[in-house]
Formats: sequence, structure tokens, C-alpha cells
Amino acid sequence: AQSVSQHNHHVILSEAASLELGCNYSYGGTVNLFWYVQYPGQHLQLLLKYFSGDPLVKGIKGFEAEFIKSKFSFNLRKPSVQWSDTAEYFCAVNALTGGSYIPTFGRGTSLIVHP
Amino acid sequence: KAGVTQTPRYLIKTRGQQVTLSCSPISGHRSVSWYQQTPGQGLQFLFEYFSETQRNKGNFPGRFSGRQFSNSRSEMNVSTLELGDSALYLCASSLRLAGGPVGEQYFGPGTRLTVT
Repeated sequence: AQSVSQHNHHVILSEAASLELGCNYSYGGTVNLFWYVQYPGQHLQLLLKYFSGDPLVKGIKGFEAEFIKSKFSFNLRKPSVQWSDTAEYFCAVNALTGGSYIPTFGRGTSLIVHP
Repeated sequence: KAGVTQTPRYLIKTRGQQVTLSCSPISGHRSVSWYQQTPGQGLQFLFEYFSETQRNKGNFPGRFSGRQFSNSRSEMNVSTLELGDSALYLCASSLRLAGGPVGEQYFGPGTRLTVT
């Protein structure tokens, strides 16, 4: 069965620090990749997605992620975080498994940004 | 455009009872997926409905079932509730094309189910 690993469960940063959240998946076929974010008290919402093409994708609020197929990774980055980036971040993979597409989410990374 | 709505927002049930949760997708979205979110297991995929048919199913027992209506609204039912079913149940809708994967999903606020 496919799985998604987010290596950092809790990250604490100061404003203006750089951010990189790791995401690795275990599936060798074609995948669609996503990062979702859940701000305190709000719904899960899409941050960015990768379906095909340029492996460096840009999302909302200055976030970007790079798909490295050889490493089965889709790490999320932001050069300079803000206090408003405090949230829970989820990596998700959608892959064809046994004839069906089963979305699989990572366990999430809680990011706290201190002002 | 109105977002995904879920009712009720909170629910308390007793072991052995059954429960039905409702989800209204974004207008025009024909795909509705359901997830269970718990602190211990994270977000786990229950099933997806597209054009009134279950297209994908996660690894949950048969006590968890769902359906979708012609207007794309979906319901999820859990029978014979167990304490471990206490969780946040999320619904997500998507503009999925027939035969294609679930793409970008739009999530609702969830239904918090507590089983006592």
C-alpha cells in the first residue's frame, strides 16, 4: 500500500526564517502530489499541486515545492516565513492503486512561527 | 461560490447507535470524498463518490457506508458505532473528470463525532 511520510511533526521558527518541510511517498507509478494547509480554526485548503511538467511548483502565499522523482519526494519550501504561516501542513499523494485512485495523506506537520 | 458544507457540525452518539452525516459539495463538483481525521491516525480516506457511484474505497469496515444523490450531495452512514469512531469526519469535493483521478479537493469544516 502506498504511504506518505512527513518527517517533521512539529516545527518552530522565528519570523523571516526559511522553511522546508519534508514529504516522501512510496509509490513508483504516476502520482499527483499536493500540499494542503489548515490554519487555526479554518478548513483544509490547497497550498499547491503537481500533476506534470515543471517539477518546481509555486503555490499561494510564497510557498513552493519541488518534485524529485528519483527521491520520491515533494518537499515544501518558503524562503521567509511569517507569523501568519502558523498552521498544520499536510502532504498528499494521489496514485493509481489496483485500478483505483486512493488519496493518501501524511500525518501532518504543525508549524509555529514566533513573531 | 459557496463552499463545501457539512451538517451537523457536532454530534454525540452512544455506542451501538448509527449516525448519518451530510455533505453538500461546491456547485458543479461531481466528486465527493470522505475522510476520517484523528490525532492518532491523521487523515484517512474512507471513500469517494462520483456521479452517484462509489468509485474508490479506503480500508474501513463495512459499517462505514455512503451514498450520493443526483444533485451530488452525499451522505455517510456509520452503523453500530464504536468508541474508536470518535473523530472529525471531513468531506471534500472535486472537479474530477470521469475516469480520471481525484484532483484538487475543497474541504468542508467537518463533523465532529463523539461516541460515548
